[in-house]
Amino acid sequence: AQSVAQPEDQVNVAEGNPLTVKCTYSVSGNPYLFWYVQYPNRGLQFLLKYITGDNLVKGSYGFEAEFNKSQTSFHLKKPSALVSDSALYFCAVRDLRGNDMRFGAGTRLTVKP
Amino acid sequence: EAQVTQNPRYLITVTGKKLTVTCSQNMNHEYMSWYRQDPGLGLRQIYYSMNVEVTDKGDVPEGYKVSRKEKRNFPLILESPSPNQTSLYFCASSVGQSNTEAFFGQGTRLTVV
Repeated sequence: AQSVAQPEDQVNVAEGNPLTVKCTYSVSGNPYLFWYVQYPNRGLQFLLKYITGDNLVKGSYGFEAEFNKSQTSFHLKKPSALVSDSALYFCAVRDLRGNDMRFGAGTRLTVKP
Repeated sequence: EAQVTQNPRYLITVTGKKLTVTCSQNMNHEYMSWYRQDPGLGLRQIYYSMNVEVTDKGDVPEGYKVSRKEKRNFPLILESPSPNQTSLYFCASSVGQSNTEAFFGQGTRLTVV
């Protein structure tokens, strides 16, 4: 069965600095990988996904993620963090059958002014 | 506006009193699912449905029931709630393809006393 690990519970960065939120996955075969963001008292919002093709995926709000097959990673990145990026971020993986989207435990990103 | 609507948003109930959390989507999605979110555990899937009258267990189905009589609705039923079902619940829907992102409702915060 597929699984996702987000090794950091919390990531703190200063506004204007680059940010990285880490994600590693385990799946049989080719993965479909997703990043979602959750703001307080809201549901999860889709940011970006990797299906196939270019390893660097661009998504909403200036976020991007890099798929690395050899390291089984899908780290979320942004060149310049904003205070408004502060939220809870989830990585998720789906296998080819698509029945079950598995989520990581989440990483709380705090961007300080 | 495309959306997934859950009701109620907040619910406090007593042990053993049957309750239903409704979920409705207006995007004609085949696939719907229920998750619970608990601190440090991320989102865990309770039940999912590939289409009308087709449902299956996720990772944590004990104590829950679902039904899918219509494509747009996917209610979550707790026949006899217990305190360990106190959690934040999310309904999600997607097109029935493994490489498509899920759309989430805003969540239902349930407290069982």
